[in-house]
Formats: sequence, structure tokens, C-alpha cells
Amino acid sequence: SQTIHQWPATLVQPVGSPLSLECTVEGTSNPNLYWYRQAAGRGLQLLFYSVGIGQISSEVPQNLSASRPQDRQFILSSKKLLLSDSGFYLCAWSLVWTGNTEAFFGQGTRLTVV
Amino acid sequence: DAKTTQPNSMESNEEEPVHLPCNHSTISGTDYIHWYRQLPSQGPEYVIHGLTSNVNNRMASLAIAEDRKSSTLILHRATLRDAAVYYCILRDEGSNYKLTFGKGTLLTVNP
Repeated sequence: SQTIHQWPATLVQPVGSPLSLECTVEGTSNPNLYWYRQAAGRGLQLLFYSVGIGQISSEVPQNLSASRPQDRQFILSSKKLLLSDSGFYLCAWSLVWTGNTEAFFGQGTRLTVV
Repeated sequence: DAKTTQPNSMESNEEEPVHLPCNHSTISGTDYIHWYRQLPSQGPEYVIHGLTSNVNNRMASLAIAEDRKSSTLILHRATLRDAAVYYCILRDEGSNYKLTFGKGTLLTVNP
């Protein structure tokens, strides 16, 4: 069966420090991968999605970047965190490029920038 | 992106059915209707999806209007664990099948 792993679960980082969040998927190949952010009391905002290794689409200009160095690995990074980067970060995957499949979400990383 | 409209909140009693509505008047013929829910402090969870016909699974039923401009998620017997934000989303080719979340409906279940 397919599983998605996202870590760490919680993170407290000072302003100006770098960030690296990792997401891996097991049990499937060539998944579509997504990074979302949910600010406190707000909805889910799609940040990046990827349809293959090295292929990243950015949805919102911001202080973050994403990379997909391997088929089932998706990384969210920042060189210098801002207070506004605080939030609940979620990784997700879906099997194929079609509307007829569901997406699966990780358990999320709660990031607090202080 | 194709848009959906949902009530901000709904309330139900435990053991009673719940009907969560969603309007999607600009839906196109190839758009799939998806429902997800998010419990507090967790990632969204897939509930059900469909294209034209009504769908049933172990979690819920999805009733799709004949003109596909609206749909209803049906929880047959609400439990306290069903209290969550429910999102109705269209997965469409025009937006590369991305899942774009709106504000959803906050469902409160009373004991």
C-alpha cells in the first residue's frame, strides 16, 4: 500500500534561519506531488506542485522554493525564514494526471517562526 | 479554476443524517467533483468523488444534480468524529487537476 511520510511534525525556527521540510512517498511511482500551507485560521493554499523529477510549478511568489531530486521525494526550502512563513505545511500526492483519482495528504509540519 | 460555493458552517445532531451542499455552476463536462475533510490539526482526508452518477462508499454518499451544477455530500449517521471542515473541490483539466481548496463548511456535531 502507498504511504506518505512528512517530517518533522513540529518545528520552531528563528527569523532568518533556513528551512528544509521533506516529504517522501512509498509504494507508488511517478506520483504528482504537492506542497500546501495553512496559516492559522485560514484555508489551504497550494504552494508548489510537481509532475516529475526536477519539474516544479510555483503557485504563489514567496520566500519558499521546492525541489524534487528523486521520483518520490519532495522538499520545501527557504534560505531565510520570515515571521509570515509560520503555518501548517502539508505534502500531498496523487497517482496520475487525471481528475479521477484521490489525493493523499501527510500529517503535516507545524512551523513556528519566532 | 472552476469554483465551488459552500455554506460556511452547518450543525447536526449525533446519529442523524447530514446533507452538505455545494454549488458549482461553472463546472465543465470533464470536471470531477471531489470531497475532502479536515479534522483539527490534521491533513485533509479524502471522502468521495464522482463525475455524473451518484456514488457511495463506506464513508459517505455523493449525490450529483442532473445538470451537475450542484452536489450534496451525505453522511448517513453523523458521529462526533465527523466534526470537521468539509471541502468540495473540482478537479479539472483546465487547472492541471490541482486540488484548489476553498473555505469549506465547518460541520459541528452535537451529542
